[in-house]
Amino acid sequence: DVKVTQSSRYLVKRTGEKVFLECVQDMDHENMFWYRQDPGLGLRLIYFSYDVKMKEKGDIPEGYSVSREKKERFSLILESASTNQTSMYLCASSFPSGRVAYEQYFGPGTRLTVT
Amino acid sequence: SQKIEQNSEALNIQEGKTATLTCNYTNYSPAYLQWYRQDPGRGPVFLLLIRENEKEKRKERLKVTFDTTLKQSLFHITASQPADSATYLCALGLRTGGGNKLTFGTGTQLKVEL
Repeated sequence: DVKVTQSSRYLVKRTGEKVFLECVQDMDHENMFWYRQDPGLGLRLIYFSYDVKMKEKGDIPEGYSVSREKKERFSLILESASTNQTSMYLCASSFPSGRVAYEQYFGPGTRLTVT
Repeated sequence: SQKIEQNSEALNIQEGKTATLTCNYTNYSPAYLQWYRQDPGRGPVFLLLIRENEKEKRKERLKVTFDTTLKQSLFHITASQPADSATYLCALGLRTGGGNKLTFGTGTQLKVEL
């Protein structure tokens, strides 16, 4: 069974703090993704990575950065947390798609509250 | 502008009936489309994938259709059960330079009542 784990289920941080969200997958997937999910806005892609040390901006990268030093681990960094970054953060992974499309496997999510 | 639209209002149906959920999109040319199920407080779980050259896909009680002319996908659950109650997300598969990425709709909440 594919397993995607996230470091915390719930996190409360103060405005201006640096926040690290960690994601680990155990299926040797090349692709990894970070999304945030907000009511009425759905899942929005922040960043994704298709290989170690490779990253590509998603639809809403502002205020975030990422790190992928090892294949199984993808970190999302909030350099200076703000209240508008309060959200559910979801990590996902998948095999790369060429002619074949693959599904994404999601972690359980981290509910981040910035006060 | 690009849009993916799913019914924002919850769909309530009786147990045993067929649930039909709609996903419409504009200004996208997806290579494929996926449907996911999401339960409260959990991450989405993949259900079905359909490619641009396919009209219909089935898996047990699930059926997906994909009409690239109408820019629409329909997701059907036959003989629905209370355990099918969840939010269902459609996602368009778009090819980028570095690999595939998905763009998600906002989801439709399905409630199956006894």
